[in-house]
Amino acid sequence: DTEVTQTPKHLVMGMTNKKSLKCEQHMGHRAMYWYKQKAKKPPELMFVYSYEKLSINESVPSRFSPECPNSSLLNLHLHALQPEDSALYLCASSRTGRNTEAFFGQGTRLTVV
Amino acid sequence: GENVEQHPSTLSVQEGDSAVIKCTYSDSASNYFPWYKQELGKGPQLIIDIRSNVGEKKDQRIAVTLNKTAKHFSLHITETQPEDSAVYFCAALFNAGGTSYGKLTFGQGTILTVHP
Repeated sequence: DTEVTQTPKHLVMGMTNKKSLKCEQHMGHRAMYWYKQKAKKPPELMFVYSYEKLSINESVPSRFSPECPNSSLLNLHLHALQPEDSALYLCASSRTGRNTEAFFGQGTRLTVV
Repeated sequence: GENVEQHPSTLSVQEGDSAVIKCTYSDSASNYFPWYKQELGKGPQLIIDIRSNVGEKKDQRIAVTLNKTAKHFSLHITETQPEDSAVYFCAALFNAGGTSYGKLTFGQGTILTVHP
């Protein structure tokens, strides 16, 4: 089983809303990632959690707040987003962060209005 | 940081032909090179990968080659089928020294279209 599950699949939110994206994996992976993907572009790394600790923050604005409650779950809390934040948000996981296969979820299509 | 260049940006082939996508990377410390296939409305799917201690790897109709000296790697798809049509991304993993994690940098993607 190489499944990474993301919810919701689609989300429309206003600029004053607070929402959360959720990601779950049950492969025993200890590294989890958030990526942002704009149309016709490659995924861009936002955050890396390694053994439930935030290891990489790619200078992401504070309106995006990641959380890793346990080794199977990863959340991305959203607040006061801008229309340019509309994108596909992808979660991924890998056994560790060092040269092991990373598996992606189907993504959450976020639209900020 | 790592930089990955991918060519071509679009590739159109007839069913049954072969398709080749090429990538170059900048950081010689990168040691893991996966390829992803992304269909419309879906997340990237890992299709094959290669590590820096291997020169070539094959899985049925797809193969990947790595030239560490030249810092380039390629995806080869033989006997292409319409269902191979998708966006393909190469990537390179750079491990920060002394850490338990690495950074995966993607190429810009190749839109492959296989005509029946």
